[in-house]
Amino acid sequence: QKEVEQNSGPLSVPEGAIASLNCTYSDRVSQSFFWYRQYSGKSPELIMSIYSNGDKEDGRFTAQLNKASQYVSLLIRDSQPSDSATYLCAVNSRNSGGYQKVTFGTGTKLQVIP
Amino acid sequence: SAVISQKPSRDICQRGTSLTIQCQVDSQVTMMFWYRQQPGQSLTLIATANQGSEATYESGFVIDKFPISRPNLTFSTLTVSNMSPEDSSIYLCSVQTGNGYTFGSGTRLTVV
Repeated sequence: QKEVEQNSGPLSVPEGAIASLNCTYSDRVSQSFFWYRQYSGKSPELIMSIYSNGDKEDGRFTAQLNKASQYVSLLIRDSQPSDSATYLCAVNSRNSGGYQKVTFGTGTKLQVIP
Repeated sequence: SAVISQKPSRDICQRGTSLTIQCQVDSQVTMMFWYRQQPGQSLTLIATANQGSEATYESGFVIDKFPISRPNLTFSTLTVSNMSPEDSSIYLCSVQTGNGYTFGSGTRLTVV
């Protein structure tokens, strides 16, 4: 089982619709969860971080966390063509040396159709 | 959040040679992380570099192939040694910031 799983997509939504991106993780002791956006040829940029169960809203973005189900999601409201990118789910855990590390999912490619 | 300067941005190298990638951070950070992103794939952690101690490598990565230096709290290098075409990838450094992790702009490596 992969540590962090995402549907690779592509997920196509019309402009103005809500895009829903999902992620599951395997490490039950994970405490920190992140969503990154990566445009083609660019490095990932942080959109949201979430640490507690429930919803966290930031502008058009809402992250949802359910630790019991080991599930994280990202909702993008009023999707714009500029939102078209690959969205990476990332989960914080610890490596063999005891240091914190971030494990990334394979990413979901989002296409917003004008 | 921290700003990372990474160089080179890209390079084309002959197989069997080595390339050293540098990352400079505009603030002091305890740990720096090195990732590889192969074409069309997600990020894979290579190693964690803590200043003053040897880097911690993830499964599948070894120090002889990917030696790392961390001479101070703002700088780190990753060397890709004895390169083969399978090493063609994007290499990224990262540091932890207030709410997450920030990445350098990446080094696109092509081995021919």
